[in-house]
Amino acid sequence: DTEVTQTPKHLVMGMTNKKSLKCEQHMGHRAMYWYKQKAKKPPELMFVYSYEKLSINESVPSRFSPECPNSSLLNLHLHALQPEDSALYLCASSQSPYRGQFFGPGTRLTVL
Amino acid sequence: DAKTTQPNSMESNEEEPVHLPCNHSTISGTDYIHWYRQLPSQGPEYVIHGLTSNVNNRMASLAIAEDRKSSTLILHRATLRDAAVYYCILKGTSYGKLTFGQGTILTVHP
Repeated sequence: DTEVTQTPKHLVMGMTNKKSLKCEQHMGHRAMYWYKQKAKKPPELMFVYSYEKLSINESVPSRFSPECPNSSLLNLHLHALQPEDSALYLCASSQSPYRGQFFGPGTRLTVL
Repeated sequence: DAKTTQPNSMESNEEEPVHLPCNHSTISGTDYIHWYRQLPSQGPEYVIHGLTSNVNNRMASLAIAEDRKSSTLILHRATLRDAAVYYCILKGTSYGKLTFGQGTILTVHP
């Protein structure tokens, strides 16, 4: 299994909702990442987890809350988002933070 | 992280070689040169990376200048499936951090 899966593919939520994005990999990778990509822009790193511990938080607002329950799973909990948070949210994993990263297809999020 | 400069767009014909340039004049001695590509409606895909020597894999070749201030990603025979945004990224010692630039939009004509 050489892929990163993300669910859901699409998500529409209101500004008062709470929702979660899920990412899964079964490649034995110990580093996992969340990126945000706005339309026609490059991806921007949000969080890095290494061995299930948060190692980088790129000054992301607290309305985004990451969680790594085990080495295969990475969640992104969303609460009180703004319309400008609408974007493609990408998950990635790698054998270590120094190796090439495998990306999932992303979750397209729309905040109304 | 040191910056990279790439052309905004390039065009190629199918089955011809494509050379995608990247300038990185402020590269440091410990920076690796990574290339990723992003096909329409997909997540980025790792292509290749190198430090000093030229590298080959099943997808592409990476040619690195002797002074490491520039590099070139070579697709030996472009296919329509290679149409994508290609990102050249310098990966330093920052733990896990990939900083994407604007990339080069490659169009492949049949």
